[in-house]
Amino acid sequence: EIVLTQSPATLSLSPGERATLSCRASQDVISYLAWYQQKPGRAPRLLIFDVSTRAPGIPVRFSGSGSGTDFTLTISSLEPEDFAVYYCQQRGSWPLLTFGGGTKVEIK
Amino acid sequence: EVQLVQSGTEVKKPGESLKISCKASGYSFTDNWIDWVRQMPGKGLEWMGIIYPGDSETRYSPSFQGHVTISADKSITTVYLQWSSLKASDTATYYCARREGDLDYWGQGTLLTVSS
Repeated sequence: EIVLTQSPATLSLSPGERATLSCRASQDVISYLAWYQQKPGRAPRLLIFDVSTRAPGIPVRFSGSGSGTDFTLTISSLEPEDFAVYYCQQRGSWPLLTFGGGTKVEIK
Repeated sequence: EVQLVQSGTEVKKPGESLKISCKASGYSFTDNWIDWVRQMPGKGLEWMGIIYPGDSETRYSPSFQGHVTISADKSITTVYLQWSSLKASDTATYYCARREGDLDYWGQGTLLTVSS
């Protein structure tokens, strides 16, 4: 089973700052890497799929990059509504999905 | 508009049975598999299993195989997650989600509390 490790666990930043979130896989996930945002009491929302493709309606300040085992979600300039928990997820072995442990982006 | 609407909050006792639901609308129900995902209090996301509503083919995570049953009724575009004997450790929020490569639409979640 592929294990996804996210870092840092918590990121303390101010609005307007750049956020860089990391997701490392225990083996090559090819390009089947997605990112989700979850706010308290809400369902997760798909942000990015296939490493770098934004889901419909997702602002351009969200971008994904990486390959193989190392991936990054970047939020170019944090808006107040971006403070949330972010999960990476891989689907390299259909139908199994595995999620990372999450990174909480909190207001500094 | 694609929507997945889940059944409401449940409070159960250990040993009781339960079936929660997820009603899909706004797309062709048999075009997509639907997944179930668990989130225990204050924790991350765990994939439980998946069902193809067209023929009810089902696959489970090894962690959940034998502990839950996923089913579907395509006549009413609804999928289900059920337990025959609940445990306190089943306390969690359960989400259904549509699989389109990844999980592109999610239900609002069903909060289950199992306590004596």
